[in-house]
Formats: sequence, structure tokens, C-alpha cells
Amino acid sequence: DAMVIQNPRYQVTQFGKPVTLSCSQTLNHNVMYWYQQKSSQAPKLLFHYYDKDFNNEADTPDNFQSRRPNTSFCFLDIRSPGLGDAAMYLCATSRGTSGRAVQYFGPGTRLTVT
Amino acid sequence: AQKVTQAQTEISVVEKEDVTLDCVYETRDTTYYLFWYKQPPSGELVFLIRRNSFDEQNEISGRYSWNFQKSTSSFNFTITASQVVDSAVYFCALRRVYSGGGADGLTFGKGTHLIIQP
Repeated sequence: DAMVIQNPRYQVTQFGKPVTLSCSQTLNHNVMYWYQQKSSQAPKLLFHYYDKDFNNEADTPDNFQSRRPNTSFCFLDIRSPGLGDAAMYLCATSRGTSGRAVQYFGPGTRLTVT
Repeated sequence: AQKVTQAQTEISVVEKEDVTLDCVYETRDTTYYLFWYKQPPSGELVFLIRRNSFDEQNEISGRYSWNFQKSTSSFNFTITASQVVDSAVYFCALRRVYSGGGADGLTFGKGTHLIIQP
């Protein structure tokens, strides 16, 4: 089945130690998104790639970076994680960015910062 | 600015009861899309329905139905004869559409945690 895959499902990192979360997709969608979802809150868009074009949300901290080496993979890098960065990180994909484009989500990676 | 409000933080009903999840949105745009997603305990957001701002026709899909009322800026979701498997967090989301056809990311409400007791 075509899907969005996130690894690992659970990640523990230390305060200030860089961490990378990965996302891959078999849907062949040209757009990939990263959302941050803190406990009992709504998912919040961090940034997205339209093909190779990176689009950052205005309020996304500089601590968060992303890479998309090819259509299938997208990475979220947190350069110096703080305790406030503990959250579920959701990857999503869509075919295009029109308003009607449905975003399909992966299962998420739950990040713990110790 | 856009905003989605899901006033019901948590709803608990007994299996087979009907339940309605409320969603109220705010936007100054005339063209937008509304979505409902389900997030089961596994964490993955599952797409349920999409509706554009020009289509106020209600929709029914099995036990699920959606009522879109532009006059009250509401897009409510009803589950008929609820089942334990319906237990999840349900998110309503809004997406604005630019005049050129592109769109923003999704603006989500805070979600409603639905608990269906056997």
C-alpha cells in the first residue's frame, strides 16, 4: 500500500544534542510537510517542500531545519533541542498545494528531550 | 487571520449513541477548504472529508455525516450509532486558497477527544 512512513516512531535525545527525524513516502507526491504537535494541542505547520522549493513558516524557530534529497525522503533536523521541543512530529504529503489537495499523514515520531 | 474552534475538548458517550462534534471557523477569505481528520491512538491523522466554501451540500458516508453552514461558519460532524472503534481525537481544519490557486497549510482546531464506552 502507498503510504507515508516515519522513523523512528519514538526518539529520545538529550538537551542540546542534534537529532534528525526521517520521513519517506511511496505516494510520489511532490509536496511534503512537517508539523509539530505538542500534547493535547493542534498540529502546527513548521515548513513544507514543493518539489525542491523550501517554504518556511514565519514563526518556525531557526533551530528547525529540513532537507529533501529526493522526492521520496524528507528530514527534519533539530540543531539544539530544548525541553520545549518535546512533541509529536508529523510528516504529511500531498499532490500539489491547491486548496483541495488532501494531505496524507504518517504515524508521527514522538520526540522526548531529557 | 484564520482560526478554527472546536469547543468540545472531550466527549464521552455510550456505544450506539449518536454524537455531534462541533467546528466553528473564522476567515476573511471567500474561497477556502474545510477538512476533518481522525487521529486514533496510533497517532496517524486519517483524512475523513474535504469540503470547499462554495459547496454547502451536506454529506453522508455510512454512519458519518457532515453539516456545513456558511451562515454560521460551522462544519459539524455527526457519528450515528457510535462504535468503540470510533474512539479517537477528531480535528477540524481550514485551508485558505489564494487567488492564483495556491493555498496555505492547514490550520487545525485543538481537536475533540471522543470516547465511546462499550
